[in-house]
Amino acid sequence: SQQGEEDPQALSIQEGENATMNCSYKTSINNLQWYRQNSGRGLVHLILIRSNEREKHSGRLRVTLDTSKKSSSLLITASRAADTASYFCATPQGAQKLVFGQGTRLTINP
Amino acid sequence: EAEVAQSPRYKITEKSQAVAFWCDPISGHATLYWYRQILGQGPELLVQFQDESVVDDSQLPKDRFSAERLKGVDSTLKIQPAELGDSAMYLCASSPRTANYGYTFGSGTRLTVV
Repeated sequence: SQQGEEDPQALSIQEGENATMNCSYKTSINNLQWYRQNSGRGLVHLILIRSNEREKHSGRLRVTLDTSKKSSSLLITASRAADTASYFCATPQGAQKLVFGQGTRLTINP
Repeated sequence: EAEVAQSPRYKITEKSQAVAFWCDPISGHATLYWYRQILGQGPELLVQFQDESVVDDSQLPKDRFSAERLKGVDSTLKIQPAELGDSAMYLCASSPRTANYGYTFGSGTRLTVV
């Protein structure tokens, strides 16, 4: 069963612009994770935010978490062509496994 | 940087044939996961190992799929017989212990059943 739902399903922006993707989830969590997947490749872990954190930064990435709304957002600033990929949020189900959303397909146009 | 190794990278097989995928996780990672990803969708868990024991195989179609991790290190996922609907990306991932850590994924095996 899908825990996280990403929005939008697809996003196309110009290079240099900021990209924002959202994730909503259904049950209480102790952390939320974001992953990137380049076409035809495996997923790469980007960032983990814990339930007691509201915001976290990593390079050009900024993640926010609102546990009252059961939602998270991923902001990529100053986008580059290399950021073209699918982005997934994932939440633990119990302590054992991650459940992934359907993803947001991001296209950066030169 | 340590990687999760998967092979083969691509596999084309005829329906009703047997197919196997191999995964070698990062050394020391106790937990190993096999996910299936249909094109355009998110990964879905097939089976999870803690060391050599299966923790969760509730979504594994056990009539045709099997998985093992005999010595708690590398793992094999098998499909027999393959069906057209099995065409997907099969991803292996590992983590130190639980889902409270980030996963490291392999590059995946793209399976096409014809």
